[in-house]
Amino acid sequence: GDSVTQMEGPVTLSEEAFLTINCTYTATGYPSLFWYVQYPGEGLQLLLKATKADDKGSNKGFEATYRKETTSFHLEKGSVQVSDSAVYFCALTDSGGSNYKLTFGKGTLLTVNP
Amino acid sequence: DADVTQTPRNRITKTGKRIMLECSQTKGHDRMYWYRQDPGLGLRLIYYSFDVKDINKGEISDGYSVSRQAQAKFSLSLESAIPNQTALYFCATSDPGLAVNEQFFGPGTRLTVL
Repeated sequence: GDSVTQMEGPVTLSEEAFLTINCTYTATGYPSLFWYVQYPGEGLQLLLKATKADDKGSNKGFEATYRKETTSFHLEKGSVQVSDSAVYFCALTDSGGSNYKLTFGKGTLLTVNP
Repeated sequence: DADVTQTPRNRITKTGKRIMLECSQTKGHDRMYWYRQDPGLGLRLIYYSFDVKDINKGEISDGYSVSRQAQAKFSLSLESAIPNQTALYFCATSDPGLAVNEQFFGPGTRLTVL
């Protein structure tokens, strides 16, 4: 079945540091890939997405590139801010019959210190 | 106003009690979902509904039931709550007309079963 493996947290960075959160996946079909973010006390919000190989999703300074050859979708940001402190979830939805379903990674807690 | 709302936002109850969590949406989406979130486990799908007459079990449906009262309303019930159902519960919606299964989440209900 489908699965998502993402970097174990927690991750603690200083403001303006470079961020990478690794995400790899296994899927039976041709998935679409997502990063969701959960700020403290809130629900999940879509951060970015990519639907085919070599697509780059980007939003709020975050980027992730759909790498089919390495089955990866790593999240990066060049300079994090305190306001980026949140839990980040990598997720996929398959292109086949189960395309209603989102499969999530376990989440990575990011804390950014001033 | 939020597109996906959940009530209550917090609930503390005792073992054996019946609990209902409610979800309403103004997005006009046909598909609705219930997830639970546990620390270190990501989100897991409890039930999903493609329309008012179509309800399906997810990966962890035991101990839960749902009711889709209208396109806009999807309730989750715990018939006899137990402590290991203590978790954060999220409702989500999606539009099957979109090419990508992007889901939109409510703010969550924090349930504690004593």
